[in-house]
Amino acid sequence: GNSVTQMEGPVTLSEEAFLTINCTYTATGYPSLFWYVQYPGEGLQLLLKATKADDKGSNKGFEATYRKETTSFHLEKGSVQVSDSAVYFCALFTGGFKTIFGAGTRLFVKA
Amino acid sequence: DAGITQSPRHKVTETGTPVTLRCHQTENHRYMYWYRQDPGHGLRLIHYSYGVKDTDKGEVSDGYSVSRSKTEDFLLTLESATSSQTSVYFCAISETPGLAGGPGTDTQYFGPGTRLTVL
Repeated sequence: GNSVTQMEGPVTLSEEAFLTINCTYTATGYPSLFWYVQYPGEGLQLLLKATKADDKGSNKGFEATYRKETTSFHLEKGSVQVSDSAVYFCALFTGGFKTIFGAGTRLFVKA
Repeated sequence: DAGITQSPRHKVTETGTPVTLRCHQTENHRYMYWYRQDPGHGLRLIHYSYGVKDTDKGEVSDGYSVSRSKTEDFLLTLESATSSQTSVYFCAISETPGLAGGPGTDTQYFGPGTRLTVL
């Protein structure tokens, strides 16, 4: 069946460090891929998305490229800030009514 | 921000009591969802609705029921709460879930969550 696997956290970085959060997926068909972010005490909000192979989603300095050959959608940011501290969820959608979410990766950024 | 509110935001109840959580949207989106969030599990779909009075089960629907009598409101009911239902519950909405077999975009917009504790 369809599934999403993302790296376990927490990930702890110093401000201005480079961030990578790995996400791989298993899916039939042509899924859309998403990264959602959850700040403390809030619901999830869309960070970026990609709907077909080789697309790059980007937002707020974050990027992720849809790699069909490696079934991956890794999240990257060149220089993290304290305000990026949150939980990040990778997700996939293959149609119908079900979006599948990964378990989430908590990021702590130290000043 | 999408107009989605959830009530109550926090609730503590005892085992065996009924509990109803409310989700209200002002976006007129057709599709609504209830998820629960638990450590190590990400978000798991409880029930969803694809229109007024049209609902269906998600992957963890046992012990939960839903109702949608108006476009803007989606209620989640725990008929007899158990400790295993202690969780954070999120409502989400989407304008279109996309087409099966197609590229589908299904961006979901989430409410702020309800923290439920069952003692």
